[in-house]
Order: sequence, then C-alpha cells, then structure tokens
Amino acid sequence: AQKVTQAQTEISVVEKEDVTLDCVYETRDTTYYLFWYKQPPSGELVFLIRRNSFDEQNEISGRYSWNFQKSTSSFNFTITASQVVDSAVYFCALSEAETSGSRLTFGEGTQLTVNP
Amino acid sequence: DAMVIQNPRYQVTQFGKPVTLSCSQTLNHNVMYWYQQKSSQAPKLLFHYYDKDFNNEADTPDNFQSRRPNTSFCFLDIRSPGLGDAAMYLCATSMSLAGTHTQYFGPGTRLTVL
Repeated sequence: AQKVTQAQTEISVVEKEDVTLDCVYETRDTTYYLFWYKQPPSGELVFLIRRNSFDEQNEISGRYSWNFQKSTSSFNFTITASQVVDSAVYFCALSEAETSGSRLTFGEGTQLTVNP
Repeated sequence: DAMVIQNPRYQVTQFGKPVTLSCSQTLNHNVMYWYQQKSSQAPKLLFHYYDKDFNNEADTPDNFQSRRPNTSFCFLDIRSPGLGDAAMYLCATSMSLAGTHTQYFGPGTRLTVL
C-alpha cells in the first residue's frame, strides 16, 4: 500500500524567510510519480511539479525548488524568500504507474502561513 | 486557455434533496476524477472514468453516482445528501499516456447541506 506523510501540519514564517516542506512516501512500486499541489484559500488545487521515480534530478523554478531523494524516500519542497501570496495548504502526492488512470495518494497537507 | 470548469462554485441543498454537480474540460483528457474534500483534510477519491469505463472506489457510498455523457463532461449526482456530505467537491482530469499522469483540478464546488 502507498502512503505519503507530511509531518508538518502547520508552518508559520515571516516574509522573506526560506521554508522547507517535508514529504516522505512509501511504495512498493519501482515506477511511480510524485507531485506537489498548492491549495490557496479559494480551494482550487494547483499543480506545481511532477517527478518520475527514475529521475532524481532536483528542480528549481523561480523561488521554488524540490529535492527528491530515493534513498530516504523523500520529496521535499523549499520556497526561497517566501511571500504572503505563498500562504496556502500544500499537498504532496504519490501515484503508481497505472494504465487506467493515476490514483493519487495524498499526504495530509501542510498549512503554510507567511506573515508580512 | 485549456482548463477544467466546475459549476456551480457554490451549491446549497436541503437534507435529502438530490443534487448534481457539473464538470467540463477543454483539455481533451480521457480520464476524469471526482474527489471529496472535507475541511482540513486531504482530497478523497470517489471514482473516476477512464474513457467510458467507470471505476468506483470501494468505500464510496452508494449515495454518490456519476455520469460521463461524453469526453468533455462529467457529473456527480448525490441522490440523498446528508449533513455529512457537506464538503468541497473537486473534479480533475488526466491524460493516460505513458509518462503522463498529472491530474489537473477544477476550482471545486462547495456543497452546503441544510
């Protein structure tokens, strides 16, 4: 069975601080996909990144960066120089390489609050 | 812009009164999903359509049904809403091709049951 753990339920930072959101996953599959989604107060889940299990390259997109380490089953997300607009719930998710659609297993989410 | 659209954004219904939520997409994706998300919880998959094939999750109550009349549209029917069905309902789509498993979500419909 798959499982995603986001140990940090809530994080509060002051604007311009760097913040890292942790994600640890469990799966028996050798091929899988990891995702991060952002859910602002409006409720829409916004796709941020997908990482394939066979691609351990870290990725940077503007102020966002992701660190994927298969050895520790972790896929952590760092926001550099946080801004108030980054305030949201962030979900880490895992899916198997199914042929009939991808079933996402979500973590419980981390509520990030960035204070001015 | 290609997108996933949900209507209405807010729906109020009475206890036991059937309600239908709508989802449409312009992404031409072949897989469509319905999730239920309660306050401070992660989204929970109710069911999904792979093309015309319906896939129900084992723990989805019979009270929840779905229809997909064509590629672009998918409906969620709640036959007899209870107070416990008040939640955000999220529709998502994905394209089932090798290496492409990203789900794209609509803005959601927030359901209130009085």
